[in-house]
Amino acid sequence: RKEVEQDPGPFNVPEGATVAFNCTYSNSASQSFFWYRQDCRKEPKLLMSVYSSGNEDGRFTAQLNRASQYISLLIRDSKLSDSATYLCVLNTNAGKSTFGDGTTLTVKP
Amino acid sequence: NAGVTQTPKFRVLKTGQSMTLLCAQDMNHEYMYWYRQDPGMGLRLIHYSVGEGTTAKGEVPDGYNVSRLKKQNFLLGLESAAPSQTSVYFCASRTPGQVTEAFFGQGTRLTVV
Repeated sequence: RKEVEQDPGPFNVPEGATVAFNCTYSNSASQSFFWYRQDCRKEPKLLMSVYSSGNEDGRFTAQLNRASQYISLLIRDSKLSDSATYLCVLNTNAGKSTFGDGTTLTVKP
Repeated sequence: NAGVTQTPKFRVLKTGQSMTLLCAQDMNHEYMYWYRQDPGMGLRLIHYSVGEGTTAKGEVPDGYNVSRLKKQNFLLGLESAAPSQTSVYFCASRTPGQVTEAFFGQGTRLTVV
């Protein structure tokens, strides 16, 4: 079983829609969690960290459920510029960083 | 600011040839990583290092070797390239700690024919 599982999508949504992605993990040693964004197979860039209490950054909300071992990303009021691949990342205390396969989002006019 | 620099950016190899990919970072980061990304896939961890002189295997280490002789450099070697190693290779670095951002190089597109 892969350490990190993501729904690959693709998610095709109209502008203004709300969309949510989930990521499940199997390694209980995972200590910290992130969402990265990747455009057109360029290098990934940090979108936001995911905190146990949940956190929000503008239109983006991240949640962590340790009991069920999943994290989520919610995007409200989708923009055309949100079209990208979203990758969840898990870090362990030993320094290992594991990526999911990514979820592709296309926002259409 | 250079950040993370990968060399080369593109390379075509023949099956059986060897090569070394260089990753250099100027941010004094302890942790460094090598990933590969195949079409339609996420990043798969090849090897990583949590400090100078240390390396560890990731998810897909077979066919690759690494060295971290200097803190700022992390080398990825292919001893005998195979077509299955055709991929985009990304290097990343970060500081230790739970909530630290990883910074990536721009990638190396490797084709093995």
